[in-house]
Amino acid sequence: GQQVMQIPQYQHVQEGEDFTTYCNSSTTLSNIQWYKQRPGGHPVFLIQLVKSGEVKKQKRLTFQFGEAKKNSSLHITATQTTDVGTYFCNAGNNRKLIWGLGTSLAVNP
Amino acid sequence: DAGITQSPRHKVTETGTPVTLRCHQTENHRYMYWYRQDPGHGLRLIHYSYGVKDTDKGEVSDGYSVSRSKTEDFLLTLESATSSQTSVYFCAINSGNSYEQYFGPGTRLTVT
Repeated sequence: GQQVMQIPQYQHVQEGEDFTTYCNSSTTLSNIQWYKQRPGGHPVFLIQLVKSGEVKKQKRLTFQFGEAKKNSSLHITATQTTDVGTYFCNAGNNRKLIWGLGTSLAVNP
Repeated sequence: DAGITQSPRHKVTETGTPVTLRCHQTENHRYMYWYRQDPGHGLRLIHYSYGVKDTDKGEVSDGYSVSRSKTEDFLLTLESATSSQTSVYFCAINSGNSYEQYFGPGTRLTVT
């Protein structure tokens, strides 16, 4: 069945460094969503991507959907301690969403 | 934040007892979901609902049942709780117009 693989599983960075997490699929995705979950919190929706090659930005966060629609990335420029948390991707439809296992980001001040 | 609440927020129960978790939304969204989250497993779908009295199984539905008698409420029942059901349970809603889901604050359930 369809799977979504997220890498890396964990990432430690020094505050100010950049961070990237990737979401990869062996099959073409119709859409991809990204979420952030702070420690002890609930997942919060960040963005949805649907077009091939789409790039969206939210302040220091840049989201990209691959040309083949089989992968996506989330890039954070100049990380801050407020970026700490787990970033999840998912894809699918309203009846069947496939979730990645998430990338946990730790930021050393 | 979307109008979605979960109750109780924390519960400790004994093996073999029935447990019901409640999800309540004020957004009139069509879709509602129950997930469990465990370390190393991410978010796993238990059951979901696509309308009143319309529900379907997710990937980890064994040992769980759900009911949706009103648009705003989605109940998750553990008929006979087991220690393997110790987890954090999240409810989520979706309008059906896009794929974004809004999550409740979660219920931490411990089965001893």
